Amino acid sequence: DQQVKQNSPSLSVQEGRISILNCDYTNSMFDYFLWYKKYPAEGPTFLISISSIKDKNEDGRFTVFLNKSAKHLSLHIVPSQPGDSAVYFCAASSNSNSGYALNFGKGTSLLVTP
Amino acid sequence: DGGITQSPKYLFRKEGQNVTLSCEQNLNHDAMYWYRQDPGQGLRLIYYSQIVNDFQKGDIAEGYSVSREKKESFPLTVTSAQKNPTAFYLCASSIWSGSSNQPQHFGDGTRLSIL
Repeated sequence: DQQVKQNSPSLSVQEGRISILNCDYTNSMFDYFLWYKKYPAEGPTFLISISSIKDKNEDGRFTVFLNKSAKHLSLHIVPSQPGDSAVYFCAASSNSNSGYALNFGKGTSLLVTP
Repeated sequence: DGGITQSPKYLFRKEGQNVTLSCEQNLNHDAMYWYRQDPGQGLRLIYYSQIVNDFQKGDIAEGYSVSREKKESFPLTVTSAQKNPTAFYLCASSIWSGSSNQPQHFGDGTRLSIL
């Protein structure tokens, strides 16, 4: 049963504009959320994370927002650059998970066009 | 350079054959994980280990085995009992602090195919 859902398989954004990637989760025990970026045939690269005690975390062009009541988080990339084109995975974990293993969404493929 | 090294990058398995995927890390991380990715899917947990000489099954452990004899190494064996082994296999590691708030860092993966 998919506990982390990314309902948009793909997203296309113009260079310089904002990219917003969304993620929903069903398990209320999740207390740590992460975003990873992945290129084909490579491992995911950690981007940014947020603990459930916060509702926003910012790192340069990347900001993650968490809405616990809605069980929703989003990743904002501002401004978007062509190098941001990749698949983005949302992940979540909790201390009741298998060794804090991550539950992943299926990913959203972001294309940033010049 | 600290990181996680997975080898080989590509691996082919014959029917009825066991194969072993290597994962080595020099990040001094206690916890290590194996995930499997299928096309259009997220990553699914196979096995994890929080400490040397101890490991636990994940969500899809059937047909796989692991060992954790050294902190740096967490090899995964895909046995002949795994009927659908074709996938992209990813190894990860993280600091183990008793808290969930530690990101996992991934290797570049091994793609396993059946001959």
